[in-house]
Amino acid sequence: LAKTTQPISMDSYEGQEVNITCSHNNIATNDYITWYQQFPSQGPRFIIQGYKTKVTNEVASLFIPADRKSSTLSLPRVSLSDTAVYYCLVGAPNNDMRFGAGTRLTVKP
Amino acid sequence: DADVTQTPRNRITKTGKRIMLECSQTKGHDRMYWYRQDPGLGLRLIYYSFDVKDINKGEISDGYSVSRQAQAKFSLSLESAIPNQTALYFCATSGVAGDEQYFGPGTRLTVT
Repeated sequence: LAKTTQPISMDSYEGQEVNITCSHNNIATNDYITWYQQFPSQGPRFIIQGYKTKVTNEVASLFIPADRKSSTLSLPRVSLSDTAVYYCLVGAPNNDMRFGAGTRLTVKP
Repeated sequence: DADVTQTPRNRITKTGKRIMLECSQTKGHDRMYWYRQDPGLGLRLIYYSFDVKDINKGEISDGYSVSRQAQAKFSLSLESAIPNQTALYFCATSGVAGDEQYFGPGTRLTVT
C-alpha cells in the first residue's frame, strides 16, 4: 500500500485559494488518488478522485503531475465552513485504501 | 432517510462485555467497511467486505469480528471489550471498483 504524507495543519483566510499537497512516492500503476473531507464527529465525505493530470468538479480541483508521486487538492475561495480535516488516500480499486492523519485546515475570518 | 445508518449511535459498556455495532445501507452497494477513529487521528480500517461471501481483515482486526448477514447489513462485534477500544466507529459502503465511499454517522463507543 502506498504511504501518503500531508501537512498536519494549515491556516487560511476566507476568500483565499487553498492548496494541500500530498506526497505518495511509492504509488503503484493501478492506484487512484482520492480526497475526503471530515467535519468533527461526522464521517468523511468524498471530495474528488483522479488518476493523472487534472480533475475538476464543483467543489475542488485535483492536480497530479506526470510522475504521480504527489497530488494537490485546490479549494477555491474558501469559507469558514471549509474548516475541516482533509485526507489524501492512494490505492487500487480492488484493494483497501488507508486513511492517514490528514491535514487540519482552519479558515479564519 | 440516510443511506447508511449505524446503531447504536452511542454506547457505554464495561470491560469484558460483548458488544455488536450494526450497519445498514440502502444504496445497493456490494462493498462495506468498518473503521475506527481515535481522537485527533485518522481512520483505521478494521474489516472490509466486497460481497456477502468475501470478508477481509484490515490493518487493526485483532479483537474484532464481523458478520455480513446480507448485502445491506454488516455488523462489527467486540467479543470482549477493553478500554483501548474506546473510539468512534464508522461504517462505509462503496459501489463498483474505485467508487467513492459513503460513510454512516458513526457510533461513539466507550469501554469503562
